[in-house]
This record gives sequence, C-alpha cells and structure tokens, in this order.
Amino acid sequence: GENVEQHPSTLSVQEGDSAVIKCTYSDSASNYFPWYKQELGKRPQLIIDIRSNVGEKKDQRIAVTLNKTAKHFSLHITETQPEDSAVYFCAVLKRSNYQLIWGAGTKLIIKP
Amino acid sequence: SQTIHQWPATLVQPVGSPLSLECTVEGTSNPNLYWYRQAAGRGLQLLFYSVGIGQISSEVPQNLSASRPQDRQFILSSKKLLLSDSGFYLCAWSEATLYNEQFFGPGTRLTVL
Repeated sequence: GENVEQHPSTLSVQEGDSAVIKCTYSDSASNYFPWYKQELGKRPQLIIDIRSNVGEKKDQRIAVTLNKTAKHFSLHITETQPEDSAVYFCAVLKRSNYQLIWGAGTKLIIKP
Repeated sequence: SQTIHQWPATLVQPVGSPLSLECTVEGTSNPNLYWYRQAAGRGLQLLFYSVGIGQISSEVPQNLSASRPQDRQFILSSKKLLLSDSGFYLCAWSEATLYNEQFFGPGTRLTVL
C-alpha cells in the first residue's frame, strides 16, 4: 500500500530564513499532494496542494515542488514569520480508494 | 458556504464508560466523512471513513465504531473507553470528487482517566 514519509520531524529556523519540508511516497500512480498546517490546539487547514501534471506551485511565500520520478514533494516557506510556527502535514491521495495517506508531521519553530 | 460542527469540544471520561461524539456538516450533500484521532504531539490516524449513509470503512481495528445515520451526520462511539483512547478527535468532510481537499471540524479533546 501507499507509504508516506515526512522529514524532518522538527525544524527550527531563524525568522526571515527559509524552511523546507520533504515527503516521499511509494505509489507512482499517486497524483494529488496537499499540505496542511495545524496550529497548536487547532484543526488542520489546507495551505497548498499540487497535482501531478505540474512540477511546482507557488502562493506568496509558500511553494510546493513535485518530483514524480523520484516520488517526493517538498514544501518551501520563504521569509518565515512567527505565525508560520505550527505543525505541517503532507498527504498523498491513495488511488485505490481516493483517501489521503498522511505524513507524520513536521513541527516548525520560528526563532525570533 | 459549508460548515462542519463537532461536539462536545472537550470531554473527560472514566475508563470503561461509553462514548458518543457527533459531527454534522452543513451546506453540502453526499459528502465523504472521516474520523481521525490525534494523540498528543503526533500525526493524524484515520479511524473511519464513509462515502454514504450506512457505509462505513474501518481503517484500524479497535474498540471504537462509527455510524452515519443521515447524509451529513457522522457519529463515533465506544461501549467501553480505554486509557489509550485519549486524544484529539477530528471529523472531516470532503466532496466526493477525485481531488478531495478535506475540511476539518474544530475537534473534540477526549481525556480518559
């Protein structure tokens, strides 16, 4: 079945620097890759997603890149701000039943 | 617009007691519905999902069960809670389409003592 690995589990960066979180997956037929942000005590919310027909998608300071050959995709946050501190989850759409398979999450800490 | 409700927001229950968590969705029809559990500092564990009334798929065998008595109502239950059932329970919905963004409810924080 589909397996999703997310790294790192914790990432600490200086405010203003960039942060990169990477996920790898196993099913080459997967074609939808969302990223969710969960602030402390809150619900996860979608921040960006990408489909397999593109290699990169950007929304202001957030971007996602996809390498289908290597079966990995990454979240890039530039000019990090304190409000970026949260746990970030990647997910991959499982083709057999169209359910999302989730990564374990990355706790992003922005140091002032 | 669509909204998703969960209640209660917080619950403290003794070991061995029953559980019933409710989730309702407004503003959409025939949604896919999901129950997740999140242990403290951990990731999202899919417990159940449903693609229609009375249709429940279980992802993890355990002492929990789910039911969907109405199109936009999803209930998570247990006859006897265990200490390990403590966690943050999230209900989510998505459109029944190929690329299904999931929208999460506010969650129920369950503590079993």
